[in-house]
Amino acid sequence: GAGVSQSPRYKVAKRGQDVALRCDPISGHVSLFWYQQALGQGPEFLTYFQNEAQLDKSGLPSDRFFAERPEGSVSTLKIQRTQQEDSAVYLCASSLQGREKLFFGSGTQLSVL
Amino acid sequence: AQTVTQSQPEMSVQEAETVTLSCTYDTSESNYYLFWYKQPPSRQMILVIRQEAYKQQNATENRFSVNFQKAAKSFSLKISDSQLGDTAMYFCAFMKMRAASKLTFGTGTRLQVTL
Repeated sequence: GAGVSQSPRYKVAKRGQDVALRCDPISGHVSLFWYQQALGQGPEFLTYFQNEAQLDKSGLPSDRFFAERPEGSVSTLKIQRTQQEDSAVYLCASSLQGREKLFFGSGTQLSVL
Repeated sequence: AQTVTQSQPEMSVQEAETVTLSCTYDTSESNYYLFWYKQPPSRQMILVIRQEAYKQQNATENRFSVNFQKAAKSFSLKISDSQLGDTAMYFCAFMKMRAASKLTFGTGTRLQVTL
């Protein structure tokens, strides 16, 4: 595609609900990253994929957070039993190999009530 | 661990004027990259400029330039001839050279360009 696409753009969840956020990277991009951006803060790294392999998940805040990229293209970030502190914008980014220019999507704004 | 500090939460500049956004960082790495990203209300992070730490020459991209002081661990962004479209959040970011693009961001500076 022309750019990194994320859906949904907005998601409202009740506390305790499970959510799934989708990222469609630029076609052919090997590397894919997820970042969490709390209100008024800079993005914070969550996890990194190279093709289908999750090479770094050190930023995932708890075991309620799970990410996958089964075929090395589309990725899904799943949050189980959402809590209010999970409210944030979740940004996805991709690059050709990993250290080149990162292309970001417009994010999913998650609000947990 | 790396830290990035942006001490100016908000800045304002008049159209056509010049503004400088500050950024300091802390790292024990000797080789790394530094970036400035722009985030408009659309939320999409857009790369403004990139600097390799091993290069002494400051990076420039049209109206955007940096003042990179490696010893002082300072990396400021200068925007010349400011335009209304420059209004956005600006984030300074750090990346180790030997790692994949895991970025460490500052807390951002909100820049408002006024008429």
